[in-house]
Amino acid sequence: AIQLTQSPSSLSASVGDRVTITCRASQDIRDDLGWYQQKPGEAPKLLIYAVSSLQSGVPSRFSGSGSGTDFSLTISGLQPEDFATYYCLQDYNYPRTFGQGTKVEIK
Amino acid sequence: QVQLQQWGAGLLKPSETLSLTCAVYGGSFSGYYWNWIRQPPGKGLEWIGEINHSGSTNYNPSLKSRVSISVDTSKKQFSLKLNSVTAADTGVYYCARGGDIIVISSAYYYMDVWGKGTTVTVSS
Repeated sequence: AIQLTQSPSSLSASVGDRVTITCRASQDIRDDLGWYQQKPGEAPKLLIYAVSSLQSGVPSRFSGSGSGTDFSLTISGLQPEDFATYYCLQDYNYPRTFGQGTKVEIK
Repeated sequence: QVQLQQWGAGLLKPSETLSLTCAVYGGSFSGYYWNWIRQPPGKGLEWIGEINHSGSTNYNPSLKSRVSISVDTSKKQFSLKLNSVTAADTGVYYCARGGDIIVISSAYYYMDVWGKGTTVTVSS
């Protein structure tokens, strides 16, 4: 199975900060990667698919980039509602696998 | 607006069978993949498997010997069975709709609608 390694595992940031989370795949997954946000007690929410395509309704401060094995999610201008855990998900092959998550906390 | 409503037994004893069902409201059942994902307490997400409307399945090899996903298209429902559960199967189980979107002639996968989750505890 393809392993996805996210870094950092957690970070502290302030409202208004620019935050970048990275996701590294154990093999080339082209551009078959998405990002999900999960808040405590809630189901995950789709943010981005195909590396950089924003899901409808997701604020434009979220952006994604990368290809092959290295990917990133950037939040430009962190908002209070963005404090959550973020997961990458590869759909290059089965089994679908998630990164271990990155928790974004308030500084 | 598509919604997924899930239900099933929340407390199991070791060796019993976990059984959950997810119903689809407000949208089409065909043309999508219907997924089960789980999350142990305080940990990350694990994909369990998926089924499409015609009954074709894909499972995570780590669970394949114990898992079965089935579909009832007449009711727009899909179900998960996981047998011989242990404490390691404790967690929140989510159902989710998956689909392919075409971007510049390539298909990309997404999971855009999720159930609220069912907490399953395995304890003697």
